[in-house]
Amino acid sequence: GQQLNQSPQSMFIQEGEDVSMNCTSSSIFNTWLWYKQEPGEGPVLLIALYKAGELTSNGRLTAQFGITRKDSFLNISASIPSDVGIYFCAVNNNAGNMLTFGGGTRLMVKP
Amino acid sequence: EAGVTQSPTHLIKTRGQQATLRCSPISGHTSVYWYQQALGLGLQFLLWYDEGEERNRGNFPPRFSGRQFPNYSSELNVNALELEDSALYLCASSPTGARFGYTFGSGTRLTVV
Repeated sequence: GQQLNQSPQSMFIQEGEDVSMNCTSSSIFNTWLWYKQEPGEGPVLLIALYKAGELTSNGRLTAQFGITRKDSFLNISASIPSDVGIYFCAVNNNAGNMLTFGGGTRLMVKP
Repeated sequence: EAGVTQSPTHLIKTRGQQATLRCSPISGHTSVYWYQQALGLGLQFLLWYDEGEERNRGNFPPRFSGRQFPNYSSELNVNALELEDSALYLCASSPTGARFGYTFGSGTRLTVV
C-alpha cells in the first residue's frame, strides 16, 4: 500500500531556531497536505499543496510540493513555544477520496 | 460554522465491555473517517463512511465496527474491549472526495482498565 516516510520522528530545538521536516514517497501524488496536532486535540490543516514545485507560506510556515511529486517539506522559521506538537504530512490517494498520513514529526521547543 | 464534534470527550471502560463513540460532521460533509491514535503516535485508519455506506476499512479486527446515519453523523463501536484499545479516537469529515483534506474533531479518549 501507499507509504509516506516522514522525518525526523522527533525534534527538540531551542526557541528561535528554524525547523525543517520532510516527507517522501515512492509513488506520485497530486496533493500534499500538512497538519499540526497539539496535545489533546485533533490535527488541524496548516497548508495544502496542489501543484508540483508549488511553494506556499502561512505566516512562519513554508511548505513545498516537490517537483517529482514524490516529496514535500515543511519549514518553520523562528520557532516559538506554541509550535510544539506533532506535524503530519498527508497525501490524497489516487482516487482522491482518502488521505494517507505520514508517521508524524514530534516537535518540542525549549524556551 | 460548527466544526466536527465528538462525544464523549473521555470514556473509561472495563476490559470485555463495549464502547460507542459518536461523531457529527461539519454541515454539508458527507464523508466521515475514523482514526485510532495510540500513545500520541501515528494515525491508524479505521473506517471511512460516505453517503451511509462503508467505503473502506483499515487493518483492524471485526470487533471494530460502525455506521453512518441519514444525517451523516456516525458511530464507532468497539466490542470486547482489550487494554490495547486504549487510545485517542479521532473522527474527521470532508465533502465527498477529500481533495481539500479532512477536518478533524478533538477526539474521544478511550481508556480500558
